Amino acid sequence: GQQVMQIPQYQHVQEGEDFTTYCNSSTTLSNIQWYKQRPGGHPVFLIQLVKSGEVKKQKRLTFQFGEAKKNSSLHITATQTTDVGTYFCAGYGNNRLAFGKGNQVVVIP
Amino acid sequence: ETGVTQTPRHLVMGMTNKKSLKCEQHLGHNAMYWYKQSAKKPLELMFVYSLEERVENNSVPSRFSPECPNSSHLFLHLHTLQPEDSALYLCASSQGGQESGEQFFGPGTRLTVL
Repeated sequence: GQQVMQIPQYQHVQEGEDFTTYCNSSTTLSNIQWYKQRPGGHPVFLIQLVKSGEVKKQKRLTFQFGEAKKNSSLHITATQTTDVGTYFCAGYGNNRLAFGKGNQVVVIP
Repeated sequence: ETGVTQTPRHLVMGMTNKKSLKCEQHLGHNAMYWYKQSAKKPLELMFVYSLEERVENNSVPSRFSPECPNSSHLFLHLHTLQPEDSALYLCASSQGGQESGEQFFGPGTRLTVL
């Protein structure tokens, strides 16, 4: 079945630095969604990417969808303590939405 | 506040108990979902309801029984659970199905089975 893998699973990031988290699918996706879950909270939708090669920006966050629509990345610049949490990607393909295990990000002040 | 509420927020139950989780969405959405979130595992989709009809059941054990009386309410009835069923149970809703994009999640019910 469809699998979505995220790397890395854990990151420690110094405040002010940049980091990237990656999402890879075993199959071609129709779209991909990104969610953020703060510690003790619930997933909150960030964005959806649909087009091959699409790039979207939200302030310090840049989301990319690969040309083959099988991978995606989230890049955060100038990390802040509010960026702490787990970032999930969810890929829609074969009539199913599959979530990755998430990338847990710890921000070091 | 996401517009999706869940009760109770925490639940401790024995293996022989029967309990129910409740979810309510105030967003006018037509699809609702139950997910299970365990440590170190991806979010697991359990059930999908679209227009109050169950459209997906991902091989969930029969000790979990969903109910969707209307488009705003979703229940998960629990009976004779196992300790490995301890997890965070999340309800979500969306306008349109899984392919349509943004799902709004509730705060979850933290379930512990003794």
